[in-house]
Amino acid sequence: ENVLTQSPGTLSLSPGERATLSCRASHSITHNYLAWYQQKPGQAPRLLIYGASIRATDIPDRFSGSGSATDFTLTISRLEPEDFAVYYCQQYGGSPWTFGQGTKVEIK
Amino acid sequence: EVQLVESGGGLVQPGRSLRLSCAASGFTVDDYAMHWVRQSPGKGLEWVSGISWNSGSRGYADSVKGRFTISRDNAKNSLYLEMNSLRPEDTAIYYCAKDMKEGAYAPLFDNWGQGTLVTVSS
Repeated sequence: ENVLTQSPGTLSLSPGERATLSCRASHSITHNYLAWYQQKPGQAPRLLIYGASIRATDIPDRFSGSGSATDFTLTISRLEPEDFAVYYCQQYGGSPWTFGQGTKVEIK
Repeated sequence: EVQLVESGGGLVQPGRSLRLSCAASGFTVDDYAMHWVRQSPGKGLEWVSGISWNSGSRGYADSVKGRFTISRDNAKNSLYLEMNSLRPEDTAIYYCAKDMKEGAYAPLFDNWGQGTLVTVSS
């Protein structure tokens, strides 16, 4: 099983600041099949990024993804009030398909 | 607009069974793999099971293998999850999720339902 470890567990930032979230895999992810999701309280997750760096439909360009093999990053260039949420990474390169434990981005 | 609506959740005793349903609309259901993903209260996400567009491929997490069965009825635009021998650790919100890539079975979830809560407790 490919274990995904996200860091930090919680990120305390102010609106307008830059957020950098990390996702590290225990094994190299085939074809960089790594996705990022955003989840707000009481809502289902929303796909933000797939293929490590491709923005999903209607996702603002302040969200960007980078990385390869075992180390991946989600960057939010300037936090908007609606960006405070929990973010999960997920690999879909090999079964079983696994998620990271999440990073909470909270208002400082 | 893609819509996924889950139903069938509730309170059930350990060892009993429950069947979840997901009604899909707004896209050609026959063209896409579908999945169940769960989230335990206050916890992270876990892929539970998936099924290809034609039911030719089905997969299960080790935690549910042998107890849960996924199926679909494309004529009814519906996805199902039959859950047997339920355990307290199966308590979670169960989400129905659509695979992003047409014709593929590569669990990348571009649309999710609102979820249905399953509570396993005596």
